[in-house]
Amino acid sequence: GAVVSQHPSRVICKSGTSVKIECRSLDFQATTMFWYRQFPKKSLMLMATSNEGSKATYEQGVEKDKFLINHASLTLSTLTVTSAHPEDSSFYICSARDRVVLGTDTQYFGPGTRLTVL
Amino acid sequence: SQELEQSPQSLIVQEGKNLTINCTSSKTLYGLYWYKQKYGEGLIFLMMLQKGGEEKSHEKITAKLDEKKQQSSLHITASQPSHAGIYLCGAIVIIQGAQKLVFGQGTRLTINP
Repeated sequence: GAVVSQHPSRVICKSGTSVKIECRSLDFQATTMFWYRQFPKKSLMLMATSNEGSKATYEQGVEKDKFLINHASLTLSTLTVTSAHPEDSSFYICSARDRVVLGTDTQYFGPGTRLTVL
Repeated sequence: SQELEQSPQSLIVQEGKNLTINCTSSKTLYGLYWYKQKYGEGLIFLMMLQKGGEEKSHEKITAKLDEKKQQSSLHITASQPSHAGIYLCGAIVIIQGAQKLVFGQGTRLTINP
């Protein structure tokens, strides 16, 4: 099956610093990647849709300048949490859509990145 | 907006017992996905259902989509400790012309030995 990786898996940073999270599709090309945020014991909340070669589309309530998304290639999308604050602490998960097989349109998820801001 | 309701929110069953998790939509589903998540980890794709009345099985897990395409159930037969985790149903919705995958709130499954 399709594999999506995330790096780092866990990061602890000081308040005010920026953190970059990478999402890679390892064995397929993903023109579209998605970034989700998950709070403890809650479901996944879609933050933004990342399209290769164009600007990301953000969901309502998600700050574009706070969560910078770059999708530079068909296999890599990055999420940068700028000037992180403790309330940004969360579990961030990316997914990539495999469009090689028509009709499936399945999203494959990365293992997630746990961000803790002190 | 599309809303997915999962029930129950949590479930504790004895190893070897059968169980069912339900996912109900307020609108007709164009595609229904089932994922499994272990706490603090990513999501594992289980199955996708698209057609009304469709049923798919993988090992001891069976998922069905009703004829009206508004309700799906996930059934586990003879549950094992490895089945423990959070089960999430997801559906494709179209928002401002773009397809997006949104999720139910999840069902936390615990298997007691």
